[in-house]
Amino acid sequence: QVQVQESGPGLVKPSETLSLTCTVSGASISIGYWSWIRQPPGKGLEWVGYIYNSGNTNYNPSLKSRVTISTDTSNNQFSLNVMSVIAADTAVYYCARGPGRTGAFDIWGRGTPVTFSS
Amino acid sequence: QSALTQPASVSGSPGQSISISCTGTSSDIGTYNLVSWYQQRPGKVPELIIYEVTKRPSGISIRFSGSKSGYTASLTISGLQAEDEADYYCCSFTRSSTLVFGGGTKVTVL
Repeated sequence: QVQVQESGPGLVKPSETLSLTCTVSGASISIGYWSWIRQPPGKGLEWVGYIYNSGNTNYNPSLKSRVTISTDTSNNQFSLNVMSVIAADTAVYYCARGPGRTGAFDIWGRGTPVTFSS
Repeated sequence: QSALTQPASVSGSPGQSISISCTGTSSDIGTYNLVSWYQQRPGKVPELIIYEVTKRPSGISIRFSGSKSGYTASLTISGLQAEDEADYYCCSFTRSSTLVFGGGTKVTVL
């Protein structure tokens, strides 16, 4: 079955770039849509962005200037970079399959917590 | 884009039915039948329970159902059980080809 798993540093400093990777198993990263979603502590879900067909992307307008999503087809992974991190970027970051034609996220990773460290 | 609007909390007794509303705009819910709902139990990963307004993924209880009217989508939980206590989030595709979530609703089983 399809599985996704996030990895990356748990701590980031002001103005640094946060880099996270999602490893996909059971499906090809070259097919379909793959997303990042985040959840600040005690708050709701926020869609960050998606990539599809290995290169086309779309981002949350509120994050667009600081966010990049890319793929590594050789390792079947996709990555998230968030530039110039601020305290509000502290969250659990999930990678997920979707939205695709259904508009839904059907497979989620366990999530990786990222904390802003001053 | 603004978050979809959900009530902060809804409660009910075991066996009752409850509904959670999710209100958007003409740019999202009003235009597309691409509304999904997620259940997130405390400390757990969100789980897809409804997609395309009314469809249930394999393995999801028939007690969960979805509907839409105009700019508002709804999730109904029938025969409320203790295990349904969780946070519920709606999500919609938008005209900008982006996605937007609701703020979440905490369901309490009395």
